[in-house]
Amino acid sequence: AQSVTQLDSQVPVFEEAPVELRCNYSSSVSVYLFWYVQYPNQGLQLLLKYLSGSTLVKGINGFEAEFNKSQTSFHLRKPSVHISDTAEYFCAVSRSNDYKLSFGAGTTVTVRA
Amino acid sequence: DAGVIQSPRHEVTEMGQEVTLRCKPISGHNSLFWYRQTMMRGLELLIYFNNNVPIDDSGMPEDRFSAKMPNASFSTLKIQPSEPRDSAVYFCASSLTTFSYEQYFGPGTRLTVT
Repeated sequence: AQSVTQLDSQVPVFEEAPVELRCNYSSSVSVYLFWYVQYPNQGLQLLLKYLSGSTLVKGINGFEAEFNKSQTSFHLRKPSVHISDTAEYFCAVSRSNDYKLSFGAGTTVTVRA
Repeated sequence: DAGVIQSPRHEVTEMGQEVTLRCKPISGHNSLFWYRQTMMRGLELLIYFNNNVPIDDSGMPEDRFSAKMPNASFSTLKIQPSEPRDSAVYFCASSLTTFSYEQYFGPGTRLTVT
C-alpha cells in the first residue's frame, strides 16, 4: 500500500515570500501524485497533478511541484505567496490506474502581511 | 456549474439518533466518493460508487454506516445509530470517470454527535 508523509504540519510565511511544502511518499509500484488545497470551511480543490511526463508540474494560482522519483518526493512551491493562499494543503498519492487516493495529514499555511 | 452540493452543512444530533447526509454530484460525473475528515485520522475514503453502483465500501467503519446512490444525481450516507465518535466533517466528491484523476469535492457536512 502507498502512504504519504507531509513533513510540516504548520508553515507560517510572510506575504510575497516564497513557500515550499514538503511531501514524501512510499510505494512499491508506480504512482500518481496530487496536491489539493482546502480553504477555510470549504471542500478540497485540486491544485495540480503528476501522472507522467515532465517532472515539473505547474498548477493553478502560481503553484508548481516537482516529482523526484529517486527521493520519492513531490514538493509544492510558490515563489511569492498572497494572503489568500492561507489554507490547508494536502498531498495525495494513488497507484497508477487506481481511483483510491491516500492523503497526507495536511500542512496549514498561514500567510501574514 | 453549481459544483458538488451537500446538505446539510452542519448537523448536531444526540447519540443514538439517525443521521442522513445528502450529496448531489456534478451533472455528468459517473464516480462518487464519500470521505470522512477528522483531526486524528485525516481524510479517509468511506465508499466509492461508479455508475450508481457501490464498488468499494471497505472504508465504511461499521454496520452503523450505510450509503446509497439511487440515481446519478443523488447519494446519501446514513449513520444509525450515531455515536459521539462519528463527529467529523463528511465530504462527498465526484469525478467524470473513475480514472479522470480529478475529484471535485463538496463543501462538506460538519456532524457533531453529543
